[in-house]
Amino acid sequence: GNSVTQMEGPVTLSEEAFLTINCTYTATGYPSLFWYVQYPGEGLQLLLKATKADDKGSNKGFEATYRKETTSFHLEKGSVQVSDSAVYFCALTETNAGKSTFGDGTTLTVKP
Amino acid sequence: DGGITQSPKYLFRKEGQNVTLSCEQNLNHDAMYWYRQDPGQGLRLIYYSQIVNDFQKGDIAEGYSVSREKKESFPLTVTSAQKNPTAFYLCASSIDASNQPQHFGDGTRLSIL
Repeated sequence: GNSVTQMEGPVTLSEEAFLTINCTYTATGYPSLFWYVQYPGEGLQLLLKATKADDKGSNKGFEATYRKETTSFHLEKGSVQVSDSAVYFCALTETNAGKSTFGDGTTLTVKP
Repeated sequence: DGGITQSPKYLFRKEGQNVTLSCEQNLNHDAMYWYRQDPGQGLRLIYYSQIVNDFQKGDIAEGYSVSREKKESFPLTVTSAQKNPTAFYLCASSIDASNQPQHFGDGTRLSIL
């Protein structure tokens, strides 16, 4: 079956530091890959996505590249802000699978 | 504005009672999903529906039931058979059952009195 493995948290960084959250996946076909963000007490919001190998998703300064050869989709941001503190989820969906597979989430705390 | 509405935000249940969580979407999405979120365990899929009048069990369906009589509505019933129902429940929808992203509601936090 499909699976998503995320870097364990929590991750604590100082403001303006570089962020990397690792995500690797196992899938039987050719999935689309997603990063979602969850702020306290809220649902998940789509942060970025990539639908095929070598695609780069980007949004709000965050980036992730779909690497088929390493089955990875690592999330990066060059300079984090306190407002980026949240839980980040990596996920995959295979065409016509009808459902997504989520990682366990990585909690990021950014300190001023 | 289009979106997903979950109600109520907080819900309390006495042991032995069934309780129904509401999920409504006005995005005209075909597919809808229910997840359970426990601290440190990510999201676990309870049930999902790809189209009206059809739904499938997810990974942890025992003790839960759903219906999908209307496209915009996908209520979840937590029955007395669910032994540990205290959790944060999230409803989501997507355009269809292909590789589209999911849109989430703000969740319902269920607690046992």
